[in-house]
Amino acid sequence: NSKVIQTPRYLVKGQGQKAKMRCIPEKGHPVVFWYQQNKNNEFKFLINFQNQEVLQQIDMTEKRFSAECPSNSPCSLEIQSSEAGDSALYLCASSPTGSGNTLYFGEGSRLIVV
Amino acid sequence: GDSVTQKQGQVTLSEDDFLFINCTYSTTTYPTLFWYVQYPGQGPQLLLKVTTANNKGISRGFEATYDKGTTSFHLQKASVQESDSAVYFCALVMNYNQGKLIFGQGTKLSIKP
Repeated sequence: NSKVIQTPRYLVKGQGQKAKMRCIPEKGHPVVFWYQQNKNNEFKFLINFQNQEVLQQIDMTEKRFSAECPSNSPCSLEIQSSEAGDSALYLCASSPTGSGNTLYFGEGSRLIVV
Repeated sequence: GDSVTQKQGQVTLSEDDFLFINCTYSTTTYPTLFWYVQYPGQGPQLLLKVTTANNKGISRGFEATYDKGTTSFHLQKASVQESDSAVYFCALVMNYNQGKLIFGQGTKLSIKP
């Protein structure tokens, strides 16, 4: 059973609506990743954090996507204005450290944009 | 850039058949290699991890060998069961990439009872 907790498991949003997903990483894991998995099973890296600091992010997240990992609160990924192409499984993963260590994934939050 | 290739999009076998899933990689230096398995409605789970220090990973009857010569990391299992039906992803991480996993395209394994 996954020790990375993601909520909600499912969310349905209309185009233009906000969508927010949360993630509690595995205890003791300072590094958190967000990936988007599309219906073709392709993974797209979105952003990663070490503690509260952004390590890397793709250009997409700088526009409609925002993410944070505040101290003592769940990490979150928010889409400001959902588009049909955002429909996907959003996966959070955590890791003991960034370099070469295993990523442990949550169950994911499935976003459907109608 | 660094990449992982799985040529088989789907594999269909019967119970007790031998499983072989192809994975090759292209990187500038030696990566750490993984196999993840994803069951329907779940996130990917670690199946195997192999670093440059250990050439072979074995878990739950699955095994994969890190072959630097052919840049391959094929997954094998001697005898599959219906419960092995899932999507299998080969993945790698480079030590300069802050832990970011690069995934292959995935291979869907279907087992006929």
